[in-house]
Amino acid sequence: DTAVSQTPKYLVTQMGNDKSIKCEQNLGHDTMYWYKQDSKKFLKIMFSYNNKELIINETVPNRFSPKSPDKAHLNLHINSLELGDSAVYFCASSQGVANTGELFFGEGSRLTVL
Amino acid sequence: DQQVKQNSPSLSVQEGRISILNCDYTNSMFDYFLWYKKYPAEGPTFLISISSIKDKNEDGRFTVFLNKSAKHLSLHIVPSQPGDSAVYFCAASPAGGTSYGKLTFGQGTILTVHP
Repeated sequence: DTAVSQTPKYLVTQMGNDKSIKCEQNLGHDTMYWYKQDSKKFLKIMFSYNNKELIINETVPNRFSPKSPDKAHLNLHINSLELGDSAVYFCASSQGVANTGELFFGEGSRLTVL
Repeated sequence: DQQVKQNSPSLSVQEGRISILNCDYTNSMFDYFLWYKKYPAEGPTFLISISSIKDKNEDGRFTVFLNKSAKHLSLHIVPSQPGDSAVYFCAASPAGGTSYGKLTFGQGTILTVHP
């Protein structure tokens, strides 16, 4: 039973479209994250939610809108997709605000914008 | 400005020998350092960590060394096994209760362990 699951795993779409990636965790954690791995392979934090409250927003364009309906879910909606949005998006979770940095990651969702 | 750097994109090691993966950082505010391991088509998984108040942490075959004055850490795997072949990411977390899981990652090093 997957601890942090993301859907879809692969997404190919045209520029200008709107798409969503869903994430669910069954670990009972109260904090969830979205990280982006770009073409240079760096993993960079985008958002962090603690108990459904946004606590980190790392200067991500407002075309990206996270939504946390409950502690177990954190979805990422992207409007007006651009070529530069092509990346692998990883959802993660932790118990508390992870001062020690131990996060549990999902398998990633590879987004390709044509 | 990349605050965490892994300057070796890849490392190849014979089974049974030691693997040493290196990581440098520039931000003095980093307080906690971690290594994550990633297999293809999977997410990163936590491997081992070290607090800035320590210089060594060991867990089985994995040992992380921290040299704060040099802003350098390394991961030693001994003995290396073919199943250790993966991408290894170094990551760092800011000090105290403000980290909120905000990790800064290096680019990763691809480790290949040959039988």
